[in-house]
Parts: sequence; C-alpha cells; structure tokens
Amino acid sequence: EAQVTQNPRYLITVTGKKLTVTCSQNMNHEYMSWYRQDPGLGLRQIYYSMNVEVTDKGDVPEGYKVSRKEKRNFPLILESPSPNQTSLYFCASSSFTPGRANSPLHFGNGTRLTVT
Amino acid sequence: DAKTTQPNSMESNEEEPVHLPCNHSTISGTDYIHWYRQLPSQGPEYVIHGLTSNVNNRMASLAIAEDRKSSTLILHRATLRDAAVYYCIGSGGSNYKLTFGKGTLLTVNP
Repeated sequence: EAQVTQNPRYLITVTGKKLTVTCSQNMNHEYMSWYRQDPGLGLRQIYYSMNVEVTDKGDVPEGYKVSRKEKRNFPLILESPSPNQTSLYFCASSSFTPGRANSPLHFGNGTRLTVT
Repeated sequence: DAKTTQPNSMESNEEEPVHLPCNHSTISGTDYIHWYRQLPSQGPEYVIHGLTSNVNNRMASLAIAEDRKSSTLILHRATLRDAAVYYCIGSGGSNYKLTFGKGTLLTVNP
C-alpha cells in the first residue's frame, strides 16, 4: 500500500532533549516536506526536499533540522526542543514539485509532540 | 507564494450541494490549483486539482474562473463524512513551498 509513515505518533519530551521524528515513503517520490499545525495558524511548512541531498527552508524552519540521505526517508530533527515546538507535525511527499506539476501531496498521519 | 483567501467556516445540510470559494489572485499562469481536506484527527488528503478548465472526479468538482483568480470546490451532495477543513492552495513564486493557509471548516448538518 502506498503510504507515508511517521513515527512516533505521540511523543512527550523535556526541554533540551534532542529528538528525531522519522518519515518514510514507499512511492519513490522525489519531493518531501514537513509541516506543523497549530490551532488558529493552519499548516505551516518547516522544511522541504526536492531530492536526495537537496533541502531548503520553508516558512518556519527555526529550531529544526532535516536530512535527505536516501530518497525514501526525511527525518525531522529537533536538536534542543522548546515548549513552543509543541505541535502536531505532518510529513508529506509527492512525485515531484507539488505546486506546478500534476503531483499531489500524500500526507502521513501526524506526530503529536509535547515539549515540557 | 500565492496568497489564498477562504472563508473561515461554512455550513451545509446533508444531501445538499456545497460551494467552497477560494481567491488566489497572485497565482502564476502555469501553477495548478490544488484542494485538500483534513478530516478530524487525520492528515490532509488530496481532493482535486486543476489548471484552467473545470475538473470533475469521484470526490468533487472544481470550477476555475476564466481569469484564474478564484476557484470553487463543489461537493454535489454533502454527507456527514465531508465535514472537514478544506484547503485551497496556490503556489505562485517558489514552486517548492506550499502554503496551506487556515482553510475553511465545513460543518454538515444531518
């Protein structure tokens, strides 16, 4: 089954403790992206990747890192999490650039992160 | 990125048609207009997309204005399962950054 898989689904951590949220897709998609969703603010893009070893900042990249060493994986890294990073996170992928081409985004089921 | 404007919320009755509007006045001429929806406790899912012509699929129809500055997502017969937040996306400027905005919360009354 074609899907985007995020792990974990729920995560509670403390301020400053490094964490990684994993994202994997099995559709051989070139484009992958991370979003965070907060009440009243909608979905905001954190980072995106056009292909292996090619990443760029979205609208809210501060406090996050990503890497794209393999096509299928796009982990989100929080080196020193803070309470303002408490949010619902979504990973997404598409065949190629999602805005211009005929290439819809496929989303994972989300990771709910709480930083205390 | 192209800025999109949608109403914060809309309400419909079950079995009736729903027209969800979106303004995207800064969209560039070759960018697709995408609609997604997010059901409660789920990630967004693709609904439909179009470029210039009206489009139909099993989920909905998309009517695109001739000047491409606006579009309307049409649900022909709303069901309770259609209650969701609907996002209209324009991707002018950088094609890699997709701005979702806050979307329209659709409530469907039984």
